[in-house]
Amino acid sequence: DQQVKQNSPSLSVQEGRISILNCDYTNSMFDYFLWYKKYPAEGPTFLISISSIKDKNEDGRFTVFLNKSAKHLSLHIVPSQPGDSAVYFCAASALRGSQGNLIFGKGTKLSVKP
Amino acid sequence: GAGVSQSPRYKVTKRGQDVALRCDPISGHVSLYWYRQALGQGPEFLTYFNYEAQQDKSGLPNDRFSAERPEGSISTLTIQRTEQRDSAMYRCASSLTGGLSTDTQYFGPGTRLTVL
Repeated sequence: DQQVKQNSPSLSVQEGRISILNCDYTNSMFDYFLWYKKYPAEGPTFLISISSIKDKNEDGRFTVFLNKSAKHLSLHIVPSQPGDSAVYFCAASALRGSQGNLIFGKGTKLSVKP
Repeated sequence: GAGVSQSPRYKVTKRGQDVALRCDPISGHVSLYWYRQALGQGPEFLTYFNYEAQQDKSGLPNDRFSAERPEGSISTLTIQRTEQRDSAMYRCASSLTGGLSTDTQYFGPGTRLTVL
């Protein structure tokens, strides 16, 4: 029973356009959310995070939006670049009680076409 | 480099053999995590350490799996009497301070285990 769901296994966008990757969660105890990016043959790399006290966090071309009532978060990449092509994992944890145990989604493979 | 390293990168073994997977965390990092990632899935938590103390092993699937970090640095994940279902990518991560869930976890490249 997946607590973190990424329902789109893949996404293809044109260079320069916006990429929107979605993630849903079921556990209402989650209060910290992260996005990791993974290139082939490498480990996942931290990209951006958001605490449940916020609804938006922005870092350059990357913005994460959190909708707690819908238990939904999304990662926006604008403008998308070919180097953004990778697998993106959504992850969540419960700050209270947990000690860093991250629950990951299955990932979404983003392809940015030149 | 100064990142998390894991060895071996690939391990092929026969069913019933024991395997030991090694993780070298980033120097000075207090917390060390082990994850398992099946094909097409995200990483799944196995266990974690603060220094040499194993804080949580709730994700270890059964008693054939064990982990240690005797000196608070390098860690070994051991799988005894391997089975084909143990085949997966095993990932290690480390973070700077223990007990703070907002700390960034830095992942290693993983060990691809194949059990024949």
